Amino acid sequence: AQTVTQSQPEMSVQEAETVTLSCTYDTSESDYYLFWYKQPPSRQMILVIRQEAYKQQNATENRFSVNFQKAAKSFSLKISDSQLGDAAMYFCAYRVGGNEKLTFGTGTRLTIIP
Amino acid sequence: AAGVIQSPRHLIKEKRETATLKCYPIPRHDTVYWYQQGPGQDPQFLISFYEKMQSDKGSIPDRFSAQQFSDYHSELNMSSLELGDSALYFCASSLRGRETQYFGPGTRLLVL
Repeated sequence: AQTVTQSQPEMSVQEAETVTLSCTYDTSESDYYLFWYKQPPSRQMILVIRQEAYKQQNATENRFSVNFQKAAKSFSLKISDSQLGDAAMYFCAYRVGGNEKLTFGTGTRLTIIP
Repeated sequence: AAGVIQSPRHLIKEKRETATLKCYPIPRHDTVYWYQQGPGQDPQFLISFYEKMQSDKGSIPDRFSAQQFSDYHSELNMSSLELGDSALYFCASSLRGRETQYFGPGTRLLVL
């Protein structure tokens, strides 16, 4: 079975600083997709960034970027210039190509210190 | 841009009652997914539908059933509710063959 592990239950960062959230996954598949979702206090699930496993280039979305290490099965999220609005629970998620379901990690709660 | 719509947003039920949750996907999305998120937990996949047919099934209790209609909206029917069913229920939608799922705001179900 595929698993997603987030080893950091909580992280904190000073406003305007950079923080990296860790995620590792276990799979025997070659075709898959990785995602970071953000869940603020409203509990809405918001897509932050996605990465296709077949792409070597790391995905970037404005202040958010990933470090995708396929051989190590690692998929970390870097948030630059942290803002108060970034405070949320961040979930790493995995989906096999052609399969339906998302498998989530247990989440990392990010606190932004003003 | 239009998002996934879920109704109701909040629901309070007694044990052994039934509940129906509704999901309206993003326009032109043909695939719907249901997830359950318990307090302090990550979302767990329940079931998905494509073109009105069940396409995948996860840890959905036998007391729950779901369907997708011709306009692609979906309903999750929950019977004989238990205290442990109290959770946030998400619906997500996507285009078939596209890997990204977009989530609705969720329905908070409280079973007393």
